[in-house]
Amino acid sequence: NAGVTQTPKFQVLKTGQSMTLQCAQDMNHNSMYWYRQDPGMGLRLIYYSASEGTTDKGEVPNGYNVSRLNKREFSLRLESAAPSQTSVYFCASRLEIAGAYEQYFGPGTRLTVT
Amino acid sequence: AQSVTQPDIHITVSEGASLELRCNYSYGATPYLFWYVQSPGQGLQLLLKYFSGDTLVQGIKGFEAEFKRSQSSFNLRKPSVHWSDAAEYFCAVDGGGGADGLTFGKGTHLIIQP
Repeated sequence: NAGVTQTPKFQVLKTGQSMTLQCAQDMNHNSMYWYRQDPGMGLRLIYYSASEGTTDKGEVPNGYNVSRLNKREFSLRLESAAPSQTSVYFCASRLEIAGAYEQYFGPGTRLTVT
Repeated sequence: AQSVTQPDIHITVSEGASLELRCNYSYGATPYLFWYVQSPGQGLQLLLKYFSGDTLVQGIKGFEAEFKRSQSSFNLRKPSVHWSDAAEYFCAVDGGGGADGLTFGKGTHLIIQP
């Protein structure tokens, strides 16, 4: 049982390049999330997916696209990377039992855009 | 919309002294509350959580937190800190609906003096 896994762990991009961050969970959770973490800002929600094939924007969605092709995987795509997207990205899935909601986080991807 | 405030950006405590980190939340109903810890360059580790019931919750590493509805607070405490407790601490709230994800405070950086 690996929990939530993310690839890659580190990435350096040049401005304008594209890339996809991968996330997978093996806990059979319906909901999955992408957050970004910036110094002094805590974590902020980029996108949310309630189930396969559905996605919703979070607080900071600009410059990102997501894809939830199946229950396990939720990917985040940067079409044209900008220095402002330098951040640490965390994926999470959510246990949903009434009265006991808890998110499980992946180890993070450190992205630098130069 | 839910929000979380951690009033202290930095806190310095001597090793062996007691610790209290403050967290205030804004949410219409009873939220689900969490404290996470993050060591430099690492991911998020869940310290403890409050869903309902006893307002004093125990977590890992000797931490505890008390939910006070009248003060909209969920402060984290530890009776005696160790040098290894130096880290960033995040308070977070889940409103239960899922679509907003977790709303995080901006974090408190804990420094331990020898």
